[in-house]
Amino acid sequence: EIVMTQSPATLSVSPGERVALSCRASQSVSVNLAWYQQKPGQAPRLLIYGASLRATGIPARFSGSGSGTEFTLSISILQSEDFAVYYCQQYNHWPRTFGQGTKVEIK
Amino acid sequence: QVHLEESGPGLVKPSQTLSLTCNVSGGSISSGDYFWSWIRQYPEKSLEWVGYILSNGNTYYNPSLMSRMTISKDTSKNQFSLKLTSVTAADTAIYFCARASGGLGEFYAFWGRGTLVTVSS
Repeated sequence: EIVMTQSPATLSVSPGERVALSCRASQSVSVNLAWYQQKPGQAPRLLIYGASLRATGIPARFSGSGSGTEFTLSISILQSEDFAVYYCQQYNHWPRTFGQGTKVEIK
Repeated sequence: QVHLEESGPGLVKPSQTLSLTCNVSGGSISSGDYFWSWIRQYPEKSLEWVGYILSNGNTYYNPSLMSRMTISKDTSKNQFSLKLTSVTAADTAIYFCARASGGLGEFYAFWGRGTLVTVSS
């Protein structure tokens, strides 16, 4: 099973800052990686697929990069609604697996 | 726009069978290149892919659960279901149904709201 490791576990930031979240795969997943945002009491929301493609309706301040085993989700100017937990998911190997999440909290 | 909604008992006794249904509206589960999926989220918030059923009826399960689970669909009701036998407290989680589009890759653009299942006597 592919292990997805996200870092840091928690990120304390102020609105307006830029953040970069990391996701590392235990084996190459090519670009078959997605990012999700989850707020309390809600289902995850797809942000990025194919490592760098924004899903429908996702603001341009969200961007994804990377391939193989190293991936980054960047949020260029953090808005108040962006404080949430972010997960990565690989869909290159069976079974599909998720990272443990990075919580972006208000500093 | 496809809409998914989970339903089922919120409390299941240990050793019994967990049964959940996902009702789908806004699209047929029998058409298209889609993966009708179950994903669960543990109390500590980690996510686990459980398995899915394709529009053609083929199924794929997480190997860690394969011996205890079945995913099926009822095309007349446009819904698909999860059965998990011999549950323990470790199966306590929020269960989401979701849809992935096979053509672009198995990522999940559409999710239900999730239903909490607690395994307890």
